Amino acid sequence: AQSVTQLGSHVSVSEGALVLLRCNYSSSVPPYLFWYVQYPNQGLQLLLKYTSAATLVKGINGFEAEFKKSETSFHLTKPSAHMSDAAEYFCAVSYTGGGADGLTFGKGTHLIIQP
Amino acid sequence: GAGVSQTPSNKVTEKGKYVELRCDPISGHTALYWYRQSLGQGPEFLIYFQGTGAADDSGLPNDRFFAVRPEGSVSTLKIQRTERGDSAVYLCASSATSGGASEQFFGPGTRLTVL
Repeated sequence: AQSVTQLGSHVSVSEGALVLLRCNYSSSVPPYLFWYVQYPNQGLQLLLKYTSAATLVKGINGFEAEFKKSETSFHLTKPSAHMSDAAEYFCAVSYTGGGADGLTFGKGTHLIIQP
Repeated sequence: GAGVSQTPSNKVTEKGKYVELRCDPISGHTALYWYRQSLGQGPEFLIYFQGTGAADDSGLPNDRFFAVRPEGSVSTLKIQRTERGDSAVYLCASSATSGGASEQFFGPGTRLTVL
């Protein structure tokens, strides 16, 4: 079985400050890991994904995440927050086994950007 | 190009009624997924189609839920004898290939309200 834990249902940062959204996973086999963003009244959009190549993954809009197997973590960061980054962020895991390709999502973190 | 579309965008029904939710995937995508997102939660996997067949329906909560994809393109999620607990946003996603590393493209969702 696999699961995802996102620490902090709400994170507030000032515009221009570092963004750090935490994600820890549990998986009995090597995982694939994803970060999705959901803007109000829009569908989920993929920010980045880890598929066992480079452990530091760069995504869209200046976001990146680092896979740390020893910590079972895949935290999302952005050096400088912008007002347009305000949204709901979801970490998700799937795994390399065959058949079950559905994603398991965390509960999400609502990112608030203070002016 | 056109993304994943879902109809209706909103559906209000009464307890005990039958509803159908439709998903039009991205043209050419062979894999299709249904998820359910309750308020304040991350999306929860329901069912996955590869082509016309349901490859994994382990997420369907009970036998009131059923989904079809008869021609390997459009899919319909069917809910019988709706209950108030079925109220949620139902998300559809598609991907070009199967496999845990594939990017899933999400539609905007159908908000189902059971009165």
